[in-house]
Amino acid sequence: QLVVTQSPSASASLGASVKLTCTLSRGYSTFAIAWHQHQSEKAPRYLMRVKSDGSHIKGDGIPDRFSGSSSGSERYLIISSLQSEDEADYYCQTWHTATSWVFGGGTKLTVL
Amino acid sequence: EVQLVESGGGLVQPGGSLRLSCRASGFSFSNYWMVWVRQAPGKGLVWVSLINSDGSETTYAESVKGRFTISRDNANSALDLQMHSLGADDTAVYFCGRTSLEAAHADYWGRGTLVTVSS
Repeated sequence: QLVVTQSPSASASLGASVKLTCTLSRGYSTFAIAWHQHQSEKAPRYLMRVKSDGSHIKGDGIPDRFSGSSSGSERYLIISSLQSEDEADYYCQTWHTATSWVFGGGTKLTVL
Repeated sequence: EVQLVESGGGLVQPGGSLRLSCRASGFSFSNYWMVWVRQAPGKGLVWVSLINSDGSETTYAESVKGRFTISRDNANSALDLQMHSLGADDTAVYFCGRTSLEAAHADYWGRGTLVTVSS
C-alpha cells in the first residue's frame, strides 16, 4: 500500500537551513513526490516535484532557497536562509496512476 | 495570473447535501485536470476527487465514493463538488486545485471553503 510518512514537526533558527523528510512505503521507492507549503489561513502553495534521482522541478516563483533531493525511498525539501514567513505546514504528496493521490501527514515547521 | 476561488461552503445538518463550486481564471481551464482536496480541523490535507480535462473521467477517495460527485463546466471555467449524505467526518475546508499536465499533483490552489456538518 502506498503510504507517505512525514515527521510531525521540525524547527530551525532564523537564517539557518532545514531539511524536511518524506518517506515512501516499501515498494514505491521510485515514485516522485510533490512538496506543498500551507501557511495558516492561506491557499496551499505548490513548491516542487522531486524525482527518485533527486532532480526537482519548482513551481512558479519559488525562491532559490527552496530545493529538493532524494535518497532511496526518502525525498527531501531543503530550505536555506530560513525566514519567518517559511513557518508553515509542509506536505509531501504522491500519486498512483494519476487516479489516486496520497498525502503525508504534514510537517509543521517552526522558525525560531 | 492563475486564480481559483471556492464557494458554497457553510453549515449543514448530518445527512444533508451541499454543492461546492470553484471558479477558475487566468489559464485555459479546459486543458487541465482539476482536483478537490480537504482538510479537517487540526488535520492534514486529504485527496477527495479528480476530474479529467473534459469531464469524462472521475475518481474518488473511498471515503466519499458514492456520496460525492465531481463535475465541471468548461464553458464557464467552473468546477463543482456535489456532496450528499454528509457526516461529521466531512467537516473540513475544501480546496480546489489545478493539476499538473500529468495530473500528478496540484500546481495551483484556491483558499478553500469551509463545510461544517453539525446539528
